[in-house]
Formats: sequence, structure tokens, C-alpha cells
Amino acid sequence: KAGVTQTPRYLIKTRGQQVTLSCSPISGHRSVSWYQQTPGQGLQFLFEYFSETQRNKGNFPGRFSGRQFSNSRSEMNVSTLELGDSALYLCASSWTGGSSYEQYFGPGTRLTVT
Amino acid sequence: GENVEQHPSTLSVQEGDSAVIKCTYSDSASNYFPWYKQELGKRPQLIIDIRSNVGEKKDQRIAVTLNKTAKHFSLHITETQPEDSAVYFCAATPGANSKLTFGKGITLSVRP
Repeated sequence: KAGVTQTPRYLIKTRGQQVTLSCSPISGHRSVSWYQQTPGQGLQFLFEYFSETQRNKGNFPGRFSGRQFSNSRSEMNVSTLELGDSALYLCASSWTGGSSYEQYFGPGTRLTVT
Repeated sequence: GENVEQHPSTLSVQEGDSAVIKCTYSDSASNYFPWYKQELGKRPQLIIDIRSNVGEKKDQRIAVTLNKTAKHFSLHITETQPEDSAVYFCAATPGANSKLTFGKGITLSVRP
């Protein structure tokens, strides 16, 4: 099975712009979670989508939004970019069927805001 | 909500020695506890996990133990090797419909 993929891998944007990141989960996985990773802050949860519905949400401002399509692919959007949004954005997919909770990460998108 | 803490934030061991990384969690309803390893420039990789109905799980040189009463779980690495050097994240969740809460990570350095 192919692993989780993310595009693009690197992005450089200017403050005030908006950006859209994409995540394709492992085939058969219906849940996609998004995380922001910055040095010293670990993996901060943004939101999770399951069957096209946002199931869980972290403590990020409304500038961060997401969606999931019927094929389970997910996109994350950040509007009005700030310098502090520079980070590695990781998505993770899981099946969440029965007692299966394992999450598998994509390679991440490195976003730099200048 | 769940709060997961890792201590210490850095750990340095001599090659061949054992390493123990401890995590504490706050939500007594949490029942799934995975550990992830992230090497420099790479994605986090699931290395081992444990569920609340099990006290210990082993996989070759790594093992995880869970103490539900004290609400802590630990990762044990024996016979450490330089390739074990990485950031290790612990996490916890009450269930499949809930988010996975991660600790801030611990940097393990194995000195050759």
C-alpha cells in the first residue's frame, strides 16, 4: 500500500497571503488529522476529518480551516498568513474502524512565511 | 481535555546502554498509547503502542509499560545504537473518535 502523501513539500509565502496544503491518506483510511510542528512545541493538533466531517478541532484561530473530499483526500487552508505560521504541517491518516487507532504520518509540508 | 507530558526533554546515553523515556497523561479515560520516532528531516514513525488492557508490550529491543493507576507509560530501549538517536513522541487518546494528544517530544542522543 502506498503511504500518506502530502503536496507540496515546500512552500514560501508572504505575510497576508493564503495557502492550501493537500494530503492523500493511505487507501482505505477514512480519517485525516492535521498537525503543526514547530521546534520545542511538538505536534500541535489542528483538526481531524472523518467521512468528510470535522470530528475534532484543536485550539487554532479560524484562519486555519480544512475539508475532506469523498475520496478521503483532505486539504488544509491558512488565510492571512502570519510569520508565526512558519512550521512543518503534517497530516496523518487512520482507519478508525473497530479498535484500530493507529495513525500514519505523511512527510509534511514545510511552510515558510516571509 | 487530555494533557500529555514527557520528561526529561533530552536524554543522552552511551551506546549499548538502556534508555527509558517516561510520559504522564491526565485523562483516566485514555486507553491507547502510541510512541513515535522522528529522525531528523523525516516524518514521525509509529514504533510501538499499547492499549489499556495490557501492562507491557515488547518488540525486539523496545518495550512499553503502562501504569494506569499512576497514569504514566514508559518507552524502554535496550542495547541502544547510534541509529536510535531521534526525537521520540508519546501520545494518548480515549478512543477512535477522539483526537490523539502528543507530548512535546524528547531528544535521545546515543553516544558511540
